[in-house]
Amino acid sequence: TQLLEQSPQFLSIQEGENLTVYCNSSSVFSSLQWYRQEPGEGPVLLVTVVTGGEVKKLKRLTFQFGDARKDSSLHITAAQPGDTGLYLCAGARRAGGTSYGKLTFGQGTILTVHP
Amino acid sequence: DTEVTQTPKHLVMGMTNKKSLKCEQHMGHRAMYWYKQKAKKPPELMFVYSYEKLSINESVPSRFSPECPNSSLLNLHLHALQPEDSALYLCASSPPNMGWKETQYFGPGTRLLVL
Repeated sequence: TQLLEQSPQFLSIQEGENLTVYCNSSSVFSSLQWYRQEPGEGPVLLVTVVTGGEVKKLKRLTFQFGDARKDSSLHITAAQPGDTGLYLCAGARRAGGTSYGKLTFGQGTILTVHP
Repeated sequence: DTEVTQTPKHLVMGMTNKKSLKCEQHMGHRAMYWYKQKAKKPPELMFVYSYEKLSINESVPSRFSPECPNSSLLNLHLHALQPEDSALYLCASSPPNMGWKETQYFGPGTRLLVL
């Protein structure tokens, strides 16, 4: 069973602060996705990282994929109340000989940014 | 366009009812997925369809019956559900031949309440 350990589980910060969320595994993933989800809504894809050592930026969000493709981090600079939500990392591996992949989800990070 | 649509948005049903959830995508994706998600937890995979054929059933009870009538449509038929089946049901799809990416795109979900 592949596990993806996500931390912290809860994060409550003030507007303007910086934060980092981590996802770690002992398994190699072919890619890793980060999603943001609001209550009662579906997860919205933020980014897919594919190459070991890759860094992607999306406005104030910076995503890194570890060199060995086993871990990833999400860094938010100057957090805003609109960043509040559940952040999920999901490692992907293609099921052998198929055209689809299975996702292993982290447990999620509930982020609350106070004005 | 990376849109997956789901209907209905909300559903309340009794334990003796029969209902269906519908999912649609017009992105040419050939893999479609059903997930179940409880509040503040990551999604749990239920079924995977690849090229309209059921590829994965994650030991889901038979009161959940999936159907893939064509490459754009995925249904989940519900019968004799239990209160513990109340959850957010998510549909996702992924494109074929993405190499290492295996990115899945989620719909907004159906919030199901079983009374």
